Amino acid sequence: SQTIHQWPATLVQPVGSPLSLECTVEGTSNPNLYWYRQAAGRGLQLLFYSVGIGQISSEVPQNLSASRPQDRQFILSSKKLLLSDSGFYLCAWERTGLSGYTFGSGTRLTVV
Amino acid sequence: RKEVEQDPGPFNVPEGATVAFNCTYSNSASQSFFWYRQDCRKEPKLLMSVYSSGNEDGRFTAQLNRASQYISLLIRDSKLSDSATYLCVVNTFSGNTPLVFGKGTRLSVIA
Repeated sequence: SQTIHQWPATLVQPVGSPLSLECTVEGTSNPNLYWYRQAAGRGLQLLFYSVGIGQISSEVPQNLSASRPQDRQFILSSKKLLLSDSGFYLCAWERTGLSGYTFGSGTRLTVV
Repeated sequence: RKEVEQDPGPFNVPEGATVAFNCTYSNSASQSFFWYRQDCRKEPKLLMSVYSSGNEDGRFTAQLNRASQYISLLIRDSKLSDSATYLCVVNTFSGNTPLVFGKGTRLSVIA
């Protein structure tokens, strides 16, 4: 069966520090991968998506970047965090374009 | 017009009640539709896909009206455990275009 892993579950980082969040998928190949952010009490905001190794599409200009160094690995990064980067970060994968997404358990990031 | 719109609620209903949520979408070319459930401080989880002919899963019924471009979710015999935020999700285009999530409708089932 397919599983998606995200870590860490919670993170507290100072302003100006770097960030690296990792997401991996097991049990499937060539998945579409997504990074979302959800601010407190708000809806899901799509940040990045990838349809293959090295292929990254960015939805909004921001302080973040994403990379896909391996087929089942998706990394979200920042060189210098801002207070506004706080939120609930969710990674998701899908098998095809019509099957819906499966989300990881998320990382709750607080920038202080 | 926003791509996917939902009434944010909250809907406060007693146990055993029937409650319905509606969602409208702007792109008539949309092809696939879903309802997700998100518990507080948790990730969204797929509740059910929405098929053109309508579909039912236990106490949950989803319907699609392509002519009016809206999707509905009906919950019968509400349970306390149904309390959550329900997200309407639409695939605006075919292929690899990301799904579009509504902001969600919050439901509280009260004893």
